[in-house]
Amino acid sequence: AQSVAQPEDQVNVAEGNPLTVKCTYSVSGNPYLFWYVQYPNRGLQFLLKYITGDNLVKGSYGFEAEFNKSQTSFHLKKPSALVSDSALYFCAVRDRANQAGTALIFGKGTTLSVSS
Amino acid sequence: EADIYQTPRYLVIGTGKKITLECSQTMGHDKMYWYQQDPGMELHLIHYSYGVNSTEKGDLSSESTVSRIRTEHFPLTLESARPSHTSQYLCASSESQGNYGYTFGSGTRLTVV
Repeated sequence: AQSVAQPEDQVNVAEGNPLTVKCTYSVSGNPYLFWYVQYPNRGLQFLLKYITGDNLVKGSYGFEAEFNKSQTSFHLKKPSALVSDSALYFCAVRDRANQAGTALIFGKGTTLSVSS
Repeated sequence: EADIYQTPRYLVIGTGKKITLECSQTMGHDKMYWYQQDPGMELHLIHYSYGVNSTEKGDLSSESTVSRIRTEHFPLTLESARPSHTSQYLCASSESQGNYGYTFGSGTRLTVV
């Protein structure tokens, strides 16, 4: 069975400091991995995805994520946080071997709060 | 511009009323989904469709129903709204092959009074 875990409900960081939002996954085969961001009263916006290739994936708004197969992790990072990065972040996974019949599985979300 | 649209954005309605939440996409995606989300909380899949005339229930039991008569249109209906239906409803679509993520609509925030 597929699953994804976001172990932190909330991450607090000061503006200008680096940020990390954690995500671990479990799939039977190789994963497709995604990060989405949600601002208040809005839908989810796509940030980045890992399909194959380079383990470091760069996405929108200066975010990046590192795929680590041995640790089954896909942590979201940014070198210097902005107050405007404050939002709810979702990690999601799909099993590449079963892509035709399964929906994307989302984590519970992590609220990022960046203070000025 | 290809996109996915949800209407209305906000809806306040009385108990017992029938409502339909609209979702349309212009990307030609085969797969469409409905998620229910309480404010700031996790997403719960309530319905999905892999093509015209195909609909399935998701992981979270819901009293709502859906239809997929046209590829671009995936409306969600509540026959008799109740306060427990108060939530945000998010519609999404995706291509058939798995290396693509979802495109989400802006959501409908439903309040049943």
